[in-house]
Amino acid sequence: EVQLVQSGAEVRKPGESLMISCKGSGYRFTSYWIGWVRQMPGKGLEWMGITNPGDSETRYSPSFEGQVTISADKSTSTAYLYWSSLRASDSAIYYCARHSETTPLYGATYRWFDPWGQGTLVTVSS
Amino acid sequence: QSVLTQPPSASGTPGQRVTISCSGVSPNIGSNTITWYRQVPGTAPKLLMFGTNQRPSGVPDRFSGSRSGTSASLSISGLQSEDEADYYCAGWDYNLSGPVFGGGTKLTVL
Repeated sequence: EVQLVQSGAEVRKPGESLMISCKGSGYRFTSYWIGWVRQMPGKGLEWMGITNPGDSETRYSPSFEGQVTISADKSTSTAYLYWSSLRASDSAIYYCARHSETTPLYGATYRWFDPWGQGTLVTVSS
Repeated sequence: QSVLTQPPSASGTPGQRVTISCSGVSPNIGSNTITWYRQVPGTAPKLLMFGTNQRPSGVPDRFSGSRSGTSASLSISGLQSEDEADYYCAGWDYNLSGPVFGGGTKLTVL
């Protein structure tokens, strides 16, 4: 079974650093990009960025560039999301998800995220 | 602020057909890249539809997707109580090299 298992809930103070993880299993980890998505309390989904565990290429949404660092360790099949200095506004649930794509005979490439990790709740409060 | 616009809520009675719209699909969003996710509150999103109208294995054919111009839509026929959830559309933005999500639609089965 293909699955992504994320690390547990975290509570931190503003200014502290934090790294959360997402471990893939049931598939070849280096063959699929892993994306991160933020969901603030009561709000919708926001794409943060995506990383290729095979060659470490990483792309960020302009909204999150410079705010977080996304990485992956192919030796442990784990992707990471890191903050060097948290803010209260970083309080949210963070999901990792496996990116897949396939190109049909006609038209643009299909792209989707599946499966998703169970989510990691990050609470930043003084 | 979401690039794709969805109605915040939709509702229907069991057995009805409900359609959720997703507008603002601009030219830089790939024509085949509209994806729909379903999220039951308190759980992670799950893939419901990709490539505008392709159903992953396990998704019943009560769910269908379409796109016309700058809008896409998800239709659910034979509405069931377990369909109650939040539904998000997404599209791959080539300028962004990543997905953009709609704001989500909360579907209530009356």
